Amino acid sequence: SQELEQSPQSLIVQEGKNLTINCTSSKTLYGLYWYKQKYGEGLIFLMMLQKGGEEKSHEKITAKLDEKKQQSSLHITASQPSHAGIYLCGADKQGRGSNYKLTFGKGTLLTVNP
Amino acid sequence: DGGITQSPKYLFRKEGQNVTLSCEQNLNHDAMYWYRQDPGQGLRLIYYSQIVNDFQKGDIAEGYSVSREKKESFPLTVTSAQKNPTAFYLCASRGLWYTEAFFGQGTRLTVV
Repeated sequence: SQELEQSPQSLIVQEGKNLTINCTSSKTLYGLYWYKQKYGEGLIFLMMLQKGGEEKSHEKITAKLDEKKQQSSLHITASQPSHAGIYLCGADKQGRGSNYKLTFGKGTLLTVNP
Repeated sequence: DGGITQSPKYLFRKEGQNVTLSCEQNLNHDAMYWYRQDPGQGLRLIYYSQIVNDFQKGDIAEGYSVSREKKESFPLTVTSAQKNPTAFYLCASRGLWYTEAFFGQGTRLTVV
């Protein structure tokens, strides 16, 4: 079962607008990952967050993890058509024994109109 | 170049046949994962392996089988018991937990 809730499911913005995608968990997040995917392709790693209150930026994309480590947000400033795609958050979850499985939310489909 | 390779990119099979998807990595990663992606469903974990000769079921393992005989390879077999096998399959690997995973380009399986 997926325990990461992403919102919104889809988003259409005009080029140049800012936007935010959220990822929420009912349990504490110990490793939170953001990926981007073009349709029919593999996932491209964007950022990883581990500490409460942590914030990371890369070009026009900023990701934050709240102090309680149960919610993360991905913010894109001045969106461009190249930002279009599916954004997925992933998190480490303890599996059987000492094994950790990497699970993902359902993703957010971003469309940027020129 | 280091990376993770999935083959083939497209695969067609008749209903009732088993089919094996290949996943190879030369990143010296211990952990490997198989996911299934359907429209609107995100990535769902099928199987994962932390070490050679050991693997665990993910959230949707029914109808699938895997092996991990070598560190570099983690093939996935879609058996005839899988009721809805048509999907996009992604393989990933990473060194340790709390590190980023690297993904292959995926295999699109169509069963007719």
